[in-house]
Amino acid sequence: EDQVTQSPEALRLQEGESSSLNCSYTVSGLRGLFWYRQDPGKGPEFLFTLYSAGEEKEKERLKATLTKKESFLHITAPKPEDSATYLCAVDPQSGTASKLTFGTGTRLQVTL
Amino acid sequence: EPEVTQTPSHQVTQMGQEVILRCVPISNHLYFYWYRQILGQKVEFLVSFYNNEISEKSEIFDDQFSVERPDGSNFTLKIRSTKLEDSAMYFCASRGGASEQYFGPGTRLTVT
Repeated sequence: EDQVTQSPEALRLQEGESSSLNCSYTVSGLRGLFWYRQDPGKGPEFLFTLYSAGEEKEKERLKATLTKKESFLHITAPKPEDSATYLCAVDPQSGTASKLTFGTGTRLQVTL
Repeated sequence: EPEVTQTPSHQVTQMGQEVILRCVPISNHLYFYWYRQILGQKVEFLVSFYNNEISEKSEIFDDQFSVERPDGSNFTLKIRSTKLEDSAMYFCASRGGASEQYFGPGTRLTVT
């Protein structure tokens, strides 16, 4: 069974204090690993797709990396507007239309 | 920027009643999905839909659930006889040729 585990569950940072969020996964085959941001009461907002070990993607203060068993979301010099829940999801290499298995997320709070 | 829209934003219904949740996917997308998120829990896959038929469904998607694409723009999820445990946020998502799924803002379903 495909599994995604995210840690920590919650993280509180001061503005400018860089950190990393972890996503470890087990799948029979990986078609893609996705990072989403979710604000309270809203739908997940797409951030990144990673396909193979060693791949990195960047967007503003966020950088996502992938190994064979885990992915990291690095947040550099975060601002209060980065406060949200960050979700990791995997698309296993089975089926035609794909389906996402999500982790429970890391709830990030960035304070002044 | 194109986005997935969902209506209504909040639906309150009594146990045993039928509800229809509506979604307008991004216009040139071909793959459509429903997910749900029970309060405080992870986002869970319900069903994928491609070429006017269900591609895959989860164990949650039992006989009380059905999906339909009644015209060229709408995608609906019907719950025939709602139960208390159906209370959740329901998210529609769509995907084009790339692998990432784009989510709508969700419909909060409350079953009383």
